Amino acid sequence: DLQMTQSPSSLSAYVGERVIITCRASQAISTYVAWFQQSPGKAPKSLIYGASSLQSGVSSRFRGSGFGTDFTLTISSLQPEDFGTYYCQQYASYPLTFGGGTRVQVK
Amino acid sequence: EVQLVESGGGLVQPGGSLRLSCAASGFTFSDNFMDWVRQAPGKGLEWVGRGRNKHDTDTTEYAASVRGRFTILRDDAKNSVYLQMDSLKAEDTAVYYCVVDYYDRSGYYYAADWGQGTLVTVSS
Repeated sequence: DLQMTQSPSSLSAYVGERVIITCRASQAISTYVAWFQQSPGKAPKSLIYGASSLQSGVSSRFRGSGFGTDFTLTISSLQPEDFGTYYCQQYASYPLTFGGGTRVQVK
Repeated sequence: EVQLVESGGGLVQPGGSLRLSCAASGFTFSDNFMDWVRQAPGKGLEWVGRGRNKHDTDTTEYAASVRGRFTILRDDAKNSVYLQMDSLKAEDTAVYYCVVDYYDRSGYYYAADWGQGTLVTVSS
């Protein structure tokens, strides 16, 4: 199975700070990566698909990039509602697989 | 507005069966693929399986951990997708989410909208 290795597993940041989360695929997957945000006690929310395309209604402070095996989610200026856990997922091949998650906490 | 409403969760004994339902609205259900994703308590997300649309022959894909025990069924007339879960194990305890997939112009389907989830607890 294709593995998605996400880092860091957790981070602390101030409101207004830039945050970068990375995801590495165990083999090349073009741009077939999606990113999700999960606030505590809530269902996940889709942020990015195709490595860099923003889902409708998602703030432009979220930016995705990458191709092949290395992918990045950047939050340009962290807001209070952005705290939670972020997951990447590859949808290039079955079984679809998620990264282990990155917990973003307030510093 | 897309809405996905799961139901059918609850407490079931090991070896038992349960059927989850997901009622969809706000999009053309028959055009889209549908996924089930689960999350064990305090753990990350795990993809369970996918039901393709009629255009793609209504076929299914499953994670190895559930293949042969779980079945995804679609009813386009009712805009609903189901997850039939048999031979349940304690490790199947999780919140189960219904997810609608949209078509990426490159030919792949990506997860777009999620339901609120339904909790399944497998315990004696």
